[in-house]
Amino acid sequence: GDSVTQMEGPVTLSEEAFLTINCTYTATGYPSLFWYVQYPGEGLQLLLKATKADDKGSNKGFEATYRKETTSFHLEKGSVQVSDSAVYFCALKRLTGANNLFFGTGTRLTVIP
Amino acid sequence: EAGVAQSPRYKIIEKRQSVAFWCNPISGHATLYWYQQILGQGPKLLIQFQNNGVVDDSQLPKDRFSAERLKGVDSTLKIQPAKLEDSAVYLCASSFTGNQPQHFGDGTRLSIL
Repeated sequence: GDSVTQMEGPVTLSEEAFLTINCTYTATGYPSLFWYVQYPGEGLQLLLKATKADDKGSNKGFEATYRKETTSFHLEKGSVQVSDSAVYFCALKRLTGANNLFFGTGTRLTVIP
Repeated sequence: EAGVAQSPRYKIIEKRQSVAFWCNPISGHATLYWYQQILGQGPKLLIQFQNNGVVDDSQLPKDRFSAERLKGVDSTLKIQPAKLEDSAVYLCASSFTGNQPQHFGDGTRLSIL
């Protein structure tokens, strides 16, 4: 069945460090891929998305590229800030059938000054 | 625009008791989702509505969980009787259609004693 595997955390970085959070997926066909962010005490917010192979999603300095050949959608940011501290979830949605999202287990990021 | 509203934010009950959660989606959003997020895991879909009809409830433990969206707007999720393993955050999300991005509420954190 469809699934998402995320890099386990927690991840602790110093401010201005480079961030990579790995995400790979298993799905039938070509799903849409998403990164959601969850700040403490809040619900999930869509960070970025990509709907087809080689698409690059970007938002707030974060980027992720849909790689069909490696079934991956790794999240990157060149210089993290303290305000980026949150839990990041990779997710997929099939193009047909049910529209629900399949989520990874989440990666907690803590950025220290 | 107002976001997805959920209440209550927190609920503590004893096992075998019943509990209900309420969700008001974003105005005009036809699709509504309930997800269960157990600590340390990603959200998992419980049920998806399109207007007042159920699209997918294959992961809903129907012996104890029920949900309704009678007028195609607000929705309630009920657990009766609750078990210890039901301790989780229950997230409601809505989207304009099934293919549009999902917007999440802040969730209800349920603790079972």
